[in-house]
Amino acid sequence: DSGVTQTPKHLITATGQRVTLRCSPRSGDLSVYWYQQSLDQGLQFLIQYYNGEERAKGNILERFSAQQFPDLHSELNLSSLELGDSALYFCASSVGQGPMNTEAFFGQGTRLTVV
Amino acid sequence: GENVEQHPSTLSVQEGDSAVIKCTYSDSASNYFPWYKQELGKGPQLIIDIRSNVGEKKDQRIAVTLNKTAKHFSLHITETQPEDSAVYFCAARQLNSGGSNYKLTFGKGTLLTVNP
Repeated sequence: DSGVTQTPKHLITATGQRVTLRCSPRSGDLSVYWYQQSLDQGLQFLIQYYNGEERAKGNILERFSAQQFPDLHSELNLSSLELGDSALYFCASSVGQGPMNTEAFFGQGTRLTVV
Repeated sequence: GENVEQHPSTLSVQEGDSAVIKCTYSDSASNYFPWYKQELGKGPQLIIDIRSNVGEKKDQRIAVTLNKTAKHFSLHITETQPEDSAVYFCAARQLNSGGSNYKLTFGKGTLLTVNP
């Protein structure tokens, strides 16, 4: 068990809908990272938060947004869903925000299926 | 941006044999190279990493080598066991102090199967 908790494990929704994925980092970790994993694109970095503030942005679509709350849990919001958004979404955490910190701990992921 | 190529995409070995997975990167500014293991139904797990000021690092049956000039790095697993069967990912990052451009860029993964 990595200590990073993601809910829900599975999500099936229709095109055009909006969903929220939740991540609780390991105790003491202040940074949260979101990744998307699909067969064709592999693992793609989406966004990072540190102690409530956005720190780095990757290949995140404008339809997607995220935030980190005062209790350090994070939510990834996906809206106007398309079939191509079907993927595994992973959250990872680390203690700090700087380049010497590594996403060593990933959650088990949320499998999103858009139908 | 950074591009990481990983080979082979699948690798099948007999228990006890060695396995080698190779990655190349494009951005010479990258200086941190972690390897992850992902088992079915689980998230990636960091198994070993290497920074560019080191040419080789070993942890029990796992070792990683880095050739900065050629911009490639490799994962070596010796005395493989069935529980080593998983998908392995390499990644690269710039450890630029103070910068935010240090996202991890992953290879596409290698499915390793260790046959008993």
